[in-house]
Amino acid sequence: SAVISQKPSRDICQRGTSLTIQCQVDSQVTMMFWYRQQPGQSLTLIATANQGSEATYESGFVIDKFPISRPNLTFSTLTVSNMSPEDSSIYLCSAEGRGLAASSYNEQFFGPGTRLTVL
Amino acid sequence: GEDVEQSLFLSVREGDSSVINCTYTDSSSTYLYWYKQEPGAGLQLLTYIFSNMDMKQDQRLTVLLNKKDKHLSLRIADTQTGDSAIYFCAESLRSNSGYALNFGKGTSLLVTP
Repeated sequence: SAVISQKPSRDICQRGTSLTIQCQVDSQVTMMFWYRQQPGQSLTLIATANQGSEATYESGFVIDKFPISRPNLTFSTLTVSNMSPEDSSIYLCSAEGRGLAASSYNEQFFGPGTRLTVL
Repeated sequence: GEDVEQSLFLSVREGDSSVINCTYTDSSSTYLYWYKQEPGAGLQLLTYIFSNMDMKQDQRLTVLLNKKDKHLSLRIADTQTGDSAIYFCAESLRSNSGYALNFGKGTSLLVTP
């Protein structure tokens, strides 16, 4: 299984500022994803981080607000730009790697999350 | 998108069985998952089931799938206090990037001594 770390684990930011969250995986993975978990809500996929090309965003999320980088197969960043209190959430990074068994499913591993509070 | 539905809270006594239910949205979902989230931790994949199966057993965990009703359940036998956590049901769905997990809001399981 993959081990995923995120930095920072939490932050409190002022509105109008930006925060970059880092995600590091301990092994090379094909797919990396960024999710948001708003208070009392389920996880929502923001985008898929593609290595060497622009991220693929889901409906309701745009690159100007959530720029994503993925310079290699083990690292990605998500920036939350021009923050407002509505951006207060937990942001989770995940990575997809084949299970150890000879199965065809792809197991997604999740990082511990970054708890963001915007004042 | 549509919501994956889960009851929000479940309380059981230590040693009893816990059953967490989920109704998902897409009958074409290939895989269905159960994740566990402990306080301050990330999501841990507990188990999954392929859509052509009705049941999967993995030690204390039993997953039942009713495709007709789009109903998924997770049974934890001999529930322990360490099982107290939030349990998320998720289905695989098509997304702009081809693949995504659609999560429920999670069921908070409280195990009392």
